[in-house]
Amino acid sequence: DAGVTQSPTHLIKTRGQQVTLRCSPKSGHDTVSWYQQALGQGPQFIFQYYEEEERQRGNFPDRFSGHQFPNYSSELNVNALLLGDSALYLCASSLVRPDVRYGYTFGSGTRLTVV
Amino acid sequence: AQTVTQSQPEMSVQEAETVTLSCTYDTSESDYYLFWYKQPPSRQMILVIRQEAYKQQNATENRFSVNFQKAAKSFSLKISDSQLGDAAMYFCAYRRANYGQNFVFGPGTRLSVLP
Repeated sequence: DAGVTQSPTHLIKTRGQQVTLRCSPKSGHDTVSWYQQALGQGPQFIFQYYEEEERQRGNFPDRFSGHQFPNYSSELNVNALLLGDSALYLCASSLVRPDVRYGYTFGSGTRLTVV
Repeated sequence: AQTVTQSQPEMSVQEAETVTLSCTYDTSESDYYLFWYKQPPSRQMILVIRQEAYKQQNATENRFSVNFQKAAKSFSLKISDSQLGDAAMYFCAYRRANYGQNFVFGPGTRLSVLP
C-alpha cells in the first residue's frame, strides 16, 4: 500500500520564478494538506484540499496556491519566489474524517532552495 | 490562535537510559488532540504517540509514554530504554477535534542518543 509520494525531492529555483510541487496521497485518502517547514523550525500549515476545493488556509500570501485533481492528487504552486520561500514542503493525506491514530500520513517532502 | 512551545532545542541521552521531552501549548478549546511526531533524516513525519484531551489516562506506546497535564497545558514525552534509532527531531503537535483540522506544530527538539 503506497504511502504519500511527493515530487520532486529536491529543487533549486531563482528568485522571481514560479514552482510547482506535486503530491500523490496514500491510497484511499481523499484530503491533502500542505505544510512549509523552514530550516530548524516546525512545519506550518499552508492549506488543505478536499473535493478539489481549498477548505482551510493558513497565514500564507496569495503567491501560494494549490489544486486538487479528481484522483485526489494535489499540486502546490508558488509564484514570484522569494529567498524566504526556501524550505521543506510536506504533504499530508487523510480522510476528511480521519481516525485520530492512523488518520494522517506524511510524505518525505520536497526541499526547495531559492537562490 | 493555538500555539505549541518546546523549550528544549536539543537533548541528549545515553543508550538504554530514559529521557523526557517537554511541550506546552495554549488553547481555549476543550476538545482536542495532542501528538508527538518523530522526523528522522529521511524527513518523513512519523507518529510516535497521541493523546485525546478528554482522556485522563496518559497514553503509552511500548517504550514511549506521555505525561498529559490538561490544566497546566503540558504534554511531555518520555522515552525509556533509548535506542540509537530514536535519534531524530521530535515535534509536539496540537489539533482541534473537529473534522479536517490542521496540525499546529512546535519548533522541535533534536534528540541525540549516545552509544
